Amino acid sequence: EAQVTQNPRYLITVTGKKLTVTCSQNMNHEYMSWYRQDPGLGLRQIYYSMNVEVTDKGDVPEGYKVSRKEKRNFPLILESPSPNQTSLYFCASTTSVGHEAFFGQGTRLTVV
Amino acid sequence: AQSVTQLGSHVSVSEGALVLLRCNYSSSVPPYLFWYVQYPNQGLQLLLKYTTGATLVKGINGFEAEFKKSETSFHLTKPSAHMSDAAEYFCAVRRAMEANNLFFGTGTRLTVIP
Repeated sequence: EAQVTQNPRYLITVTGKKLTVTCSQNMNHEYMSWYRQDPGLGLRQIYYSMNVEVTDKGDVPEGYKVSRKEKRNFPLILESPSPNQTSLYFCASTTSVGHEAFFGQGTRLTVV
Repeated sequence: AQSVTQLGSHVSVSEGALVLLRCNYSSSVPPYLFWYVQYPNQGLQLLLKYTTGATLVKGINGFEAEFKKSETSFHLTKPSAHMSDAAEYFCAVRRAMEANNLFFGTGTRLTVIP
């Protein structure tokens, strides 16, 4: 089954404690992205990657890092999480000529 | 620059009534347009999309949308609401050759009243 898998689904952490949210897709897609979803703001893109070792900032990249060492994986790293990063995070993938993006189930992060 | 405006953050309809969720976009080039649905505690699922060709597109669960270039709109409709349609709906736009650049509206939460 074609899918995008994120882990964990839920995470509560403390300010400043580094964390990684993993994302993996099994569709051999070139493009992968991270979004955060906040009430009243919709989804905003954090980072995206057009292929292995090619990443770039989206609209709200501050406080986040990503890497793309393998085509299937695109982890999101918060080196020093802060409460304003409490949000619902989605990973998505698409082909370079594809139309729609495929989304993971989301990761609800709470930073206290 | 591209942007998406969804009018109405909350819409309530009676079961069996028409569903109309509004979406207007701005784009300097012909856009690809999408509607996604998000059920509670789930990810986003594609409802329908417009890329080229016929401007009236049909999607899953009886939804359809019409691309109106002159009005820069892509409103989502369903003739008869069902309780299972209660969810949050997002309109999104991207340029044809920019797969990485998907812009979302702020979402419309649909409530269906029995």
